[in-house]
Amino acid sequence: DTEVTQTPKHLVMGMTNKKSLKCEQHMGHRAMYWYKQKAKKPPELMFVYSYEKLSINESVPSRFSPECPNSSLLNLHLHALQPEDSALYLCASSQPWENTGELFFGEGSRLTVL
Amino acid sequence: AQKITQTQPGMFVQEKEAVTLDCTYDTSDPSYGLFWYKQPSSGEMIFLIYQGSYDQQNATEGRYSLNFQKARKSANLVISASQLGDSAMYFCAMREGRGSTLGRLYFGRGTQLTVWP
Repeated sequence: DTEVTQTPKHLVMGMTNKKSLKCEQHMGHRAMYWYKQKAKKPPELMFVYSYEKLSINESVPSRFSPECPNSSLLNLHLHALQPEDSALYLCASSQPWENTGELFFGEGSRLTVL
Repeated sequence: AQKITQTQPGMFVQEKEAVTLDCTYDTSDPSYGLFWYKQPSSGEMIFLIYQGSYDQQNATEGRYSLNFQKARKSANLVISASQLGDSAMYFCAMREGRGSTLGRLYFGRGTQLTVWP
């Protein structure tokens, strides 16, 4: 079983809806990430939080709004999305100081925008 | 230039046979880490194996081994005794910089492995 839990697993939303994706980990990791993955493509980094502060925003459109309320939780707020935003959204976590930098991924939230 | 190149979009192997998935990388940083992840159809990215640029020995984890050829900048994954459950997409990835805190991974395009009985 994955130690990074993402909810919901599937989400269908219209272009005018507001929804949120949630991610939770209890491994004591202090770095958390959002990745976007289109079908048959590799994951693309969106955001990185390190010690609950936003460290990296890969020029993601403002209709995606990340939030890290505490060291265990990571949210991605969605508003006014486009059909091309339909994808698998993966959350990951790691210890910032470990040299291996291994990321632990959740199972993802599969988003469909109508 | 692509940081990670996986030239095999798809590979097929019979159960119990070994298979090699190719990966080449491009970096000028002397310190880097190489990773292989497995992604089944369920979507989860499962970490398989890690090789650091300064590691002298090839990494091994159970049935997985990494054939690290530094001069050729290749980091091929070898899966021994393939099982039906090994059917999945496999991604090679790289992180640059010693002790990077940001986990920025550069992924290859992936290889879809199919294991047949």
